[in-house]
Amino acid sequence: QLQLQESGPGLVKPSETLSLTCTVSGVSFTRHGYYWGWIRQPPGRGLEWIGFVYYNGDTYLNPSLKSRVTMSVDTSKNDFSLKLSSVTAADTAVYYCAEYYDNDDYHRAFDFWGRGTMVTVSS
Amino acid sequence: DIVMTQSPLSLPVTPGEPASISCRSSQSLLHSNGYNYLHWYLQKPGQSPQLLIYLGSYRASGVPDRFSGSGSGTDFTLKISRLEAEDVGVYYCMQALQSPLTFGGGTNMEIK
Repeated sequence: QLQLQESGPGLVKPSETLSLTCTVSGVSFTRHGYYWGWIRQPPGRGLEWIGFVYYNGDTYLNPSLKSRVTMSVDTSKNDFSLKLSSVTAADTAVYYCAEYYDNDDYHRAFDFWGRGTMVTVSS
Repeated sequence: DIVMTQSPLSLPVTPGEPASISCRSSQSLLHSNGYNYLHWYLQKPGQSPQLLIYLGSYRASGVPDRFSGSGSGTDFTLKISRLEAEDVGVYYCMQALQSPLTFGGGTNMEIK
């Protein structure tokens, strides 16, 4: 069974960089068609797609966040990371990592999600 | 960006009764390959979202057959044939036709 687990600081100061890592188990990280994504949910609100990364390092990012987001993979550790720079209170949210399957245009859905990690931006 | 609009915002339902949620997109989600890139998720209280229906009408692995999805183009519906207590939570639709991927605002399904 594919499992994902987020990790990282729960508190980040305004203007600093939020950094999270997601560790994947139960599937080959480099398997064709598996993309590794991030979605966030501000308290009491809906879901916002941040982006995803392929095992070869290709990234697909939400244009609204693209200027502040960096995503990367570490295939030796079976994990991938999110960095969000210049954070403000508006970036306070639960951050989920998730597996996104796209096999030649078939599926294109987030099948498995981590439990999420709450990140608060505050001084 | 493709805007996803769900209705109703809140849906009180009696256990054993059917329920239906609507999702409309600002652009057609029907690809030239015949797939509608529309998915449904359920976020149970205190949990992460789980995939229920993908590509408009395909049930995800392990999802009970009381859940069904239908629709094409810009209008989609999620139906629950007989609500069970474990089905409470917020339902989201999501489009995966084009970037950025976008979600509906959610429908809060609760027990009446």
